[in-house]
Formats: sequence, C-alpha cells, structure tokens
Amino acid sequence: IQLTQSPSFLSASVGDRVTITCRASQPISDSFAWYQQKPGKAPRLLIYGGSTLQSGVPSRFSGSGAGTEFSLTISSLQPEDFATYYCQQLHSYPLTFGGGTKVEI
Amino acid sequence: EVQLVQSAAEVKKPGESLKISCQGFGYTFSSYWIAWVRQMPGKGLEWIGVIYPRDSDTNYSPSFQGHVTFSVDQSISTAYLQWSSLRDADTAIYYCAKAAVPGFVNRFETWGQGTLVTVSS
Repeated sequence: IQLTQSPSFLSASVGDRVTITCRASQPISDSFAWYQQKPGKAPRLLIYGGSTLQSGVPSRFSGSGAGTEFSLTISSLQPEDFATYYCQQLHSYPLTFGGGTKVEI
Repeated sequence: EVQLVQSAAEVKKPGESLKISCQGFGYTFSSYWIAWVRQMPGKGLEWIGVIYPRDSDTNYSPSFQGHVTFSVDQSISTAYLQWSSLRDADTAIYYCAKAAVPGFVNRFETWGQGTLVTVSS
C-alpha cells in the first residue's frame, strides 16, 4: 500500500492552523497513525486509529479520515511543533510510511 | 518506565557482518511485537519489518527480505537486527519500536533512541 503525503514542505507561523494529508493507494479502514519527529530524535506517536490522540499529546493535534484519505491538523501551531510529520498505514504488510511533511517557520 | 535501549553506533566496511540490538525494559518483552525502521541520512522512515519475541514470528518488507535477519533473546529481553554482508547503502539510523498492545501489530508508541550504522570503505 502506497501512502502519498502532502505537502512535503510547509512554511507556517506560530498560531497558524495547519493541515497535512495522506492518501492511501487502497482502502485501509482506520488502521492509520501519525508520528512527529524532531531532528536527532526518534519518532513520537501522535495519533492512532485515524483519530485517537495518544496519551500525553496536546489537544491541538487532531486526526481524521478513514478509507483512503486521512489528515492531521494542528489547530494553533506552537514553537515546539516545528518538526517533520509522518503517516503510517497499519492495515497490511509491509506497514508503509508516507514521505513526510517538514513544518518550518 | 517502559523503554527500548539500542546499541551504540557502528562503523563497518562493505562486506562485513553486523548485529545491532534493542533491549526492552519495564514490560513483558515476549508479549509485544518489535518493529525495525530505517532512516537514511536526510530521508524519511522506511519499514523493515517486525518480530514477535514469544515465538520469533517475523514479517519482512520485500525491500529488505533476504538482506537482513531479525532475532531475539528472551532471556535478556533483547531483539536483534543483523546483516551478513553490509553495503554502502546500509548507512542509516536504525530504530526499533514496540507495539502498544500485546500480541497485536497496531501502533508503535515506544521507540528506541536509534543506532547509527555507517558503512564505508
């Protein structure tokens, strides 16, 4: 299953609302997750099941979608949110990742 | 505290063998799938595959099948990723990650700190 993530690069300001999308090449129900990765760090799980917020993740992060179209929204971008975001499908092997979206100031 | 601790960085020559490790702490190691993920310099995340420590059941991505091997040692709660013959293109950071729910490959909420593997002649 191919995941097409867009945009690959996003320039935004503190306080902005940003949305990242991921399209799957075939339906994957809600078997979908979003991760955040900062430079030199391991990925961090943000959202799973398409829309469930991982424990400890701020509520400004939200996920939606099912089937083939998914999105991650940050309602009000904070300085610590500047990072690269990846989607992952957990429907069938191999559990592929999207290409990533780098969110920069 | 649940954590995965990976082995230190390695520098190897093409053709050499290598085994890197991922040790689990704070949970029942045998009950949770462990995934391996590659990140080449400046690039995105790539799925290598998973192993279930309880019975060593594995699934490899076709892109890596035959080039890497997963194994575990339950007695020391450690998973391994190994190569018998490294290539320059294996230069990357390798992460291990633990599934969130016992017995299921659903989401990966705990990640190791990564092991940098450098392959250069």
